[in-house]
Amino acid sequence: QSALTQPRSVSGSPGQSVTISCTGTSSDVGGYNFVSWYQQLPGEAPQLIIYDVSKRPSGVPDRFSGSKSGNTASLTVSGLQAEDEADYYCCSYAGTSVLFGGGTKVTVL
Amino acid sequence: QVQLQESGPGLVKPSETLSLTCTFSRGSVSSGSYYWSWIRQPPGKGLEWIGYIYHSGTTNYNPSLKSRVTISIDTSKNQFSLKLSSVTAADTAVYYCAGLNYYGPGVYNWFDPWGQGTLVTVSS
Repeated sequence: QSALTQPRSVSGSPGQSVTISCTGTSSDVGGYNFVSWYQQLPGEAPQLIIYDVSKRPSGVPDRFSGSKSGNTASLTVSGLQAEDEADYYCCSYAGTSVLFGGGTKVTVL
Repeated sequence: QVQLQESGPGLVKPSETLSLTCTFSRGSVSSGSYYWSWIRQPPGKGLEWIGYIYHSGTTNYNPSLKSRVTISIDTSKNQFSLKLSSVTAADTAVYYCAGLNYYGPGVYNWFDPWGQGTLVTVSS
């Protein structure tokens, strides 16, 4: 099983929107609505920001949204803020295991 | 709110066994609400799921690590543990314990909560 594919980096100016893609296969991302996303600030543990493709845990700003089409899931950060600069990881149920994406660094210009 | 904390040696010699423990400052390992999991992150790299254990003792491991991994649970000490044998420099990573939320037997999705992580370096 290979890791899910994410772009290495994306960037945007404050107030803009950025979208991170997460591509898998029909055996993971495409086969189940069990995609989650994590934000990892420098030196910290990952923190859940999206689960079940598009659901936000309590306390996560609604600037963060998730979606899925076919074998690709996406995380959109709207109204980009300086504190959104971090690494973001997608994760998917894969039938008998769990797969992570390689991570995407979001830079706020 | 469950709170987890990893502990164990920060330095392990090549070919030896890495051993880590995850303890609960809040919550119980006997809770049936999670699959208790280990995840690792090599320096500057991405996350890799290692495996999980349920409070019943049922385990599931990443196929790429399965031959070297053992996850166990100790309800009397309210903790669960990771052992990774025959380590090499490639096993150098920050190791996290986390709760894997699930919908039903063998159907799981998100990791929350997470411990703060502990760095393990494999070097002679």
